[in-house]
Amino acid sequence: AQSVTQPDIHITVSEGASLELRCNYSYGATPYLFWYVQSPGQGLQLLLKYFSGDTLVQGIKGFEAEFKRSQSSFNLRKPSVHWSDAAEYFCAVGAKGTYKYIFGTGTRLKVLA
Amino acid sequence: EAGVAQSPRYKIIEKRQSVAFWCNPISGHATLYWYQQILGQGPKLLIQFQNNGVVDDSQLPKDRFSAERLKGVDSTLKIQPAKLEDSAVYLCASSLELKGGQETQYFGPGTRLLVL
Repeated sequence: AQSVTQPDIHITVSEGASLELRCNYSYGATPYLFWYVQSPGQGLQLLLKYFSGDTLVQGIKGFEAEFKRSQSSFNLRKPSVHWSDAAEYFCAVGAKGTYKYIFGTGTRLKVLA
Repeated sequence: EAGVAQSPRYKIIEKRQSVAFWCNPISGHATLYWYQQILGQGPKLLIQFQNNGVVDDSQLPKDRFSAERLKGVDSTLKIQPAKLEDSAVYLCASSLELKGGQETQYFGPGTRLLVL
């Protein structure tokens, strides 16, 4: 069965520091992978997605993620975090033809001024 | 392009009462999803529509939850009767079916339900 693991429940970084949020998935075939961000009281906003091709994916707000098949990972990175990046981040895995996402439990990011 | 619209944004009810949520997807999007997001967890799919037909409702508690998408556009999700454990954010999402199934889901702002 498909599953997504986000090992870090909370992460705190200083403004201007680099960021990496971890995501590991379990899926038999090639997955479709997504990162979403959710600000307090808001819905989910898509940051980036991977379907195929180049394993380094660029997204909005300066985020990128790298698909590593050998490690079953799709970690999200940002070279320099801004205070406005404080939010909850969700990794999701989709399946070809089923249009169904499985979400991780999320990582809450806190940014120190 | 307008996003996914949901109403109401907040709802407080007492247990055993009924409640309904409304969703209007992005224009032209054939697929519509309802998710339940309990505090501290990721969204969990409740039901998925393709046009006005149900694709997947395997995780919908059918004894109390119902959903419809009669004209293949907007949708309503109903809970009757509500239980304390139904307190959550109910998210609606829609997607434009693309060739190969490589669609992206776009989410609405959600309806925050509190059952007392």
